[in-house]
Amino acid sequence: GAVVSQHPSRVICKSGTSVKIECRSLDFQATTMFWYRQFPKQSLMLMATSNEGSKATYEQGVEKDKFLINHASLTLSTLTVTSAHPEDSSFYICSARWSRDYEQYFGPGTRLTVT
Amino acid sequence: GQNIDQPTEMTATEGAIVQINCTYQTSGFNGLFWYQQHAGEAPTFLSYNVLDGLEEKGRFSSFLSRSKGYSYLLLKELQMKDSASYLCAVSANDYKLSFGAGTTVTVRA
Repeated sequence: GAVVSQHPSRVICKSGTSVKIECRSLDFQATTMFWYRQFPKQSLMLMATSNEGSKATYEQGVEKDKFLINHASLTLSTLTVTSAHPEDSSFYICSARWSRDYEQYFGPGTRLTVT
Repeated sequence: GQNIDQPTEMTATEGAIVQINCTYQTSGFNGLFWYQQHAGEAPTFLSYNVLDGLEEKGRFSSFLSRSKGYSYLLLKELQMKDSASYLCAVSANDYKLSFGAGTTVTVRA
């Protein structure tokens, strides 16, 4: 099956700093990658959609200057949380799909804690 | 916009059957997914329905009625390890997934 990895799995950072999260498709080329955020006891909320080589499309209410997404290759997308604040503490999950498949394959998630 | 509703919590006994309902109203439809999520982990794929009817996969089955905007996930022969959150998600025409709030299933001995 298709495998998606995320790094790091957990990160703690100080308020005001930036954090980069990587999402990689290990055994397939991902034409599209999605970034989700999940707060405790809530469901996944789509933050943005990124296609390789083009700018990400952000969902309403998500600040594109705060959550920088780069989809530099067909196997790698990065999410950078800039000037992080405690309210950005959350579980960030990426998923990836390729053009001929209906399914999205999820990464294991990154737990971000901003102190 | 998308509107996806599912019950918040359900409790059942080990060995029993539980049915989790999901109703949706979405702009565009490209299929409905069910995922299982354990606390602190990413969702894992359970089923996908794009045509009306029942899809059976071992102990798990999923049903879809597009005209009614309705789906259910049926869990049979419940095991303790089935205690988890179950997420209903609808794929729109652009393959984005909109998730319901999730149903927490607790299996008791």
